[in-house]
Amino acid sequence: GAVVSQHPSRVICKSGTSVKIECRSLDFQATTMFWYRQFPKQSLMLMATSNEGSKATYEQGVEKDKFLINHASLTLSTLTVTSAHPEDSSFYICSAQSSGANVLTFGAGSRLTVL
Amino acid sequence: GQSLEQPSEVTAVEGAIVQINCTYQTSGFYGLSWYQQHDGGAPTFLSYNGLDGLEETGRFSSFLSRSDSYGYLLLQELQMKDSASYFCAVSRSGNTPLVFGKGTRLSVIA
Repeated sequence: GAVVSQHPSRVICKSGTSVKIECRSLDFQATTMFWYRQFPKQSLMLMATSNEGSKATYEQGVEKDKFLINHASLTLSTLTVTSAHPEDSSFYICSAQSSGANVLTFGAGSRLTVL
Repeated sequence: GQSLEQPSEVTAVEGAIVQINCTYQTSGFYGLSWYQQHDGGAPTFLSYNGLDGLEETGRFSSFLSRSDSYGYLLLQELQMKDSASYFCAVSRSGNTPLVFGKGTRLSVIA
């Protein structure tokens, strides 16, 4: 089945630093990947849609200059949280859909803690 | 806009059957999915309904009524490991991101 790898699983950083999270589709090509954020005991909120070879589409209220998304290949999308602050601490999860499937496959998620 | 409603918490006894309902309002509808998420983990796919009716996958079944904008997830022979959060999610087309409900936290007790 489709597998999505996400790295790192956990990261702790100081306020003001930038953090990059990678999302890879291991056994299929993903022209589109989706980035979600989840705060404790809450639902998954879509942040942006990552499109291979073009700019990401951000949801309303998500700062595109703060959450930089790069989808340079058919198997890799990255999310960079720039100048992270404590309020950015959250669980970030990427997902991808293999062609023809009605199923989103999620990465294992990245738990970001900003001190 | 889109909104999905599902109960926030459900408690059920081991071995029993539990049904988690989901109603939705969306502009455009393609299908209803269900995902399971254990604490600290990522969501995992359980079931998908694109057409009305019941889909059965082992102990889990999912139902959809497009005319009623309603679906449910049915879990049978509950096990302790089924304690998790369950999310219904709507897709508006075949390649759009899922919009998730707020999740139902299921607690299975002995």
